[in-house]
Order: sequence, then structure tokens, then C-alpha cells
Amino acid sequence: DGGITQSPKYLFRKEGQNVTLSCEQNLNHDAMYWYRQDPGQGLRLIYYSQIVNDFQKGDIAEGYSVSREKKESFPLTVTSAQKNPTAFYLCASSMNRGEKLFFGSGTQLSVL
Amino acid sequence: SQQGEEDPQALSIQEGENATMNCSYKTSINNLQWYRQNSGRGLVHLILIRSNEREKHSGRLRVTLDTSKKSSSLLITASRAADTASYFCATGPRQGGSEKLVFGKGTKLTVNP
Repeated sequence: DGGITQSPKYLFRKEGQNVTLSCEQNLNHDAMYWYRQDPGQGLRLIYYSQIVNDFQKGDIAEGYSVSREKKESFPLTVTSAQKNPTAFYLCASSMNRGEKLFFGSGTQLSVL
Repeated sequence: SQQGEEDPQALSIQEGENATMNCSYKTSINNLQWYRQNSGRGLVHLILIRSNEREKHSGRLRVTLDTSKKSSSLLITASRAADTASYFCATGPRQGGSEKLVFGKGTKLTVNP
């Protein structure tokens, strides 16, 4: 089945720790995105990548980092600099300059 | 900000009734999209309507767009319990691609059996 796979579904972070969220897609999409969703809120863009080896900051990039070494993969690292990381993280992809987003099933990150 | 704002924030109806959700936005758009999210899951694209379109249908979904009022509505006819979810509008600006999509806070729909 074609789609986007996010893992893990639940993740816990200790203070001062970096954690990495995985996002893999087999849709052959060029563009990939990371969003953060807080309860009762809309989605806010963290980072996006329109092509391999290139990525751009979104609206709330501070405390996060990404890489795009392969077309299929766009991992997100939540660093210790992100002081309020508890949220639901969503990865999405689209065809290059496409309008419709395809989403993964999300990762819930909580702080211990 | 051109963030879409959905109205109402929450809606509870009986199975078989119609559900109407509204979205307002602030600046010119290229398109407006509606997404659905089941609790604890990712979003699923429902429908996209372009700025030069006024109405679009997909199965039991009907979307209207009024660019003069900067508003859109999503109508779900003959609702089912399985339609229970949050519904988000997302506005696509005239400049830029999907990275510029701006999501509203959503309408939480509950369909009671």
C-alpha cells in the first residue's frame, strides 16, 4: 500500500534529551512537511523540504532540526532547546508544488 | 494572517441529519481545502475548491466558496456515526505552494447514533 508511515506512535522525552521522529513515504512525492498540532489548535508548519538535500524553516522551526538525505525519508529531531515539546506531530507529503497533502498517522510526544 | 477560522467549534447532531461547517479567511486565496481528522490520527484530504469555483460535490460532501465574503462551507448530508471527526479548512495563498497552506482550528463533529 502506498502511504506515509510515522514512527513511533508514542514517544517520551526526558529533560535535556534529543529525540527523533521517523517519517517514510513510498508515494514518490518530492515534497515533505512536518507539522505540530496542539490540543484544540490548527496545524503549524515546522519544516518542509521540496527536494532531496534541501529543506526550509516553517513558522515554528526553533528547537527542531531535520534532514532529507533520501526522497523517501524526512526525520524530525526535537532538540533539548525545544522547551515545550509535548504535542502531536504530523508528517505530510505532496507532489512537487502539489496542492493536496497526504498525512501520516502522527506521533504523540510527551515529556517525562 | 490569512488563517481560516472554522465555525462552530463543536457540533453535535443525530445520525441522518445534515451537518454544516463554515470557514472564514482574511486574504486572497488560490484554493481552499477541507480535511478530516479522526481522534489521534492524521488528516485526510476531502475536497479542494479553487478560487474561481463556487460549488463542488464529492459523494455526500458539498463545499461552497464565496470569495466576496471570504468564506466557505462544508455540508455533510445524511450524516453517519462514522462521520464523527474534526474537520479543518486550509487556505492556499495565491503565491507559493503547499508549504503556505494555513490551517484553521477545526470543527469537532459528533454524530450520535
